[in-house]
Amino acid sequence: AQSVTQLGSHVSVSEGALVLLRCNYSSSVPPYLFWYVQYPNQGLQLLLKYTSAATLVKGINGFEAEFKKSETSFHLTKPSAHMSDAAEYFCAVSEGTGANNLFFGTGTRLTVIP
Amino acid sequence: DTAVSQTPKYLVTQMGNDKSIKCEQNLGHDTMYWYKQDSKKFLKIMFSYNNKELIINETVPNRFSPKSPDKAHLNLHINSLELGDSAVYFCASSQPGSSPYFGPGTRLTVT
Repeated sequence: AQSVTQLGSHVSVSEGALVLLRCNYSSSVPPYLFWYVQYPNQGLQLLLKYTSAATLVKGINGFEAEFKKSETSFHLTKPSAHMSDAAEYFCAVSEGTGANNLFFGTGTRLTVIP
Repeated sequence: DTAVSQTPKYLVTQMGNDKSIKCEQNLGHDTMYWYKQDSKKFLKIMFSYNNKELIINETVPNRFSPKSPDKAHLNLHINSLELGDSAVYFCASSQPGSSPYFGPGTRLTVT
């Protein structure tokens, strides 16, 4: 069975600072991994995904994530935070060759301080 | 053009009522889903539906039933609503091997 743990339900960074949102996964088979962003009162938007190709994945809005099998991690980073990055971020995992049923972490709320 | 749309966006109703939430996707995807996001923002899959094959999360009460009139629609019907059903419900769709595309959500409030 697969699961996701997001460390830190709330992360605050200053504008222009590095953003690091942590995600660790558990999966019995090679996983597919995803980061979604949810802006207030909106649906989920895919930021990026790992599907067994390159371990460093680049996404939208300057975000990227690195798959580290030895650490079972898929942390999300952005070199310089922008005010518009304030949102809820969800890490998710699915098993096998498909990306059908996603299992989500509990989310991390990112606050950007001006 | 909206890829995945849901109606209504907000739904307020009383305990014991029966309600439906509609979902439509114009992406031509084969698989559709319903997810529930609770008050703590935790997202959990409820159903996935592909070519008339329904896969149910065993923790979902049988008061919840998805209905798919065609490939582009997957509606969620809820009987005998309870306070604990209050949540945001997201519809999503995908093709095999692709990540789900989510709708805007329906906020259900049961009073």
